[in-house]
Amino acid sequence: EAQVTQNPRYLITVTGKKLTVTCSQNMNHEYMSWYRQDPGLGLRQIYYSMNVEVTDKGDVPEGYKVSRKEKRNFPLILESPSPNQTSLYFCASSLSSWPTDTQYFGPGTRLTVL
Amino acid sequence: AQSVTQLGSHVSVSEGALVLLRCNYSSSVPPYLFWYVQYPNQGLQLLLKYTSAATLVKGINGFEAEFKKSETSFHLTKPSAHMSDAAEYFCAVSFTGGGNKLTFGTGTQLKVEL
Repeated sequence: EAQVTQNPRYLITVTGKKLTVTCSQNMNHEYMSWYRQDPGLGLRQIYYSMNVEVTDKGDVPEGYKVSRKEKRNFPLILESPSPNQTSLYFCASSLSSWPTDTQYFGPGTRLTVL
Repeated sequence: AQSVTQLGSHVSVSEGALVLLRCNYSSSVPPYLFWYVQYPNQGLQLLLKYTSAATLVKGINGFEAEFKKSETSFHLTKPSAHMSDAAEYFCAVSFTGGGNKLTFGTGTQLKVEL
């Protein structure tokens, strides 16, 4: 089944404790992206990647890092999480970076930083 | 800068009634427009998209939307609401030169009542 998977689905952590949220797609997509969803703000892009070893900042990159060493994986790293990073996170992928390509979303990771 | 505005954060309709969810866009270049649906505890699923071919776009689950350049609108409609349509709906915009970054509206929660 074609899908985007994220792990973990739920995470509660404390301020400053480094964490990684994994994202994997099995559709051989070139483009991958991370969004965060906050009430009343919709989804905002954090980082994106157009291909292996090609990443760039989105609208809200502060406090996050990403890497793209393999085509299928695009982990999101929070090196020193803070309470304002409590949010619902979505990974998405599309065939290419063409703006009409459909983006497929993972099930989401709900992160709470205490 | 491109943006979308969704009027009404909550919309309530009776089962069998018309569903109308409003989306207006702002874009200095020709936009591509999308509607996504999010069911509870799930990721986003594409309902339909406008890619400059036909202005009336039909999507899944009986939804459709019409691109109206003169009104800068892309409202989502469904002739007859079903209980299973209860979800949150997001309008989003992308554009050539913007990669595949989606800029989302703040979402509309649709409630369907008996």
